[in-house]
Amino acid sequence: DIQMTQSPSSLSASVGDRVTITCRASQGISTYLAWLQQKPGKAPKSLIYAASSLQSGVPSKFSGSGSGTDFTLTISSLQPEDFATYYCQQYNSYPYTFGQGTKLEIK
Amino acid sequence: EVQVVESGGGLVEPGGSLRLSCAASGFDFSKLWMIWVRQAPGKGLEWVGRIKIKSDGEATDYAAPVRGRFTISRDDSSNTLYLQMNSLKTEDTAVYYCTTAPRPGPWGQGTLVTVSS
Repeated sequence: DIQMTQSPSSLSASVGDRVTITCRASQGISTYLAWLQQKPGKAPKSLIYAASSLQSGVPSKFSGSGSGTDFTLTISSLQPEDFATYYCQQYNSYPYTFGQGTKLEIK
Repeated sequence: EVQVVESGGGLVEPGGSLRLSCAASGFDFSKLWMIWVRQAPGKGLEWVGRIKIKSDGEATDYAAPVRGRFTISRDDSSNTLYLQMNSLKTEDTAVYYCTTAPRPGPWGQGTLVTVSS
């Protein structure tokens, strides 16, 4: 199975900050990577697919990059509604696997 | 509106069975692969399995922990995805979500399955 490792596991930031979350795959996955956002008690929300393509309706403050084994999610100008847990997910091969999550908290 | 709505969860004893449903709307369900994902209380996301479309033979793949116990099926006439869960274990306790594949799309609110005596 492909292991997905996110860093950091948790992150404190202030409103208005720009943050970057990293996701590393244990083997190459091309750009078959998605980023999800999940708020407490809520369902995940799809943000990005194919490593860098925004899902419809997702604001451009979210951006993704990378290919192969190393990927990043960048969120600019943090707002209160952006504080949540973020997951990466590979869909290059079965079983699809997720990172352990990065909890973004307000400083 | 593009959406999926999961249902069918509940409390079941170890060894029991349950069938979950996922009603899709707002997109061409018959043309998309679908997956089930679960999330145990306080834990991360875990892929359960995938079903392809009819032209791909509705082929299925499953995660090792559920292989041989869970079965995914679909009914394109009613835009509904199913997850039949047999021989349930306490470690199957989770919120179960459905979404599209290979890239994830809309997520429903999930349905909680609790396996306990």
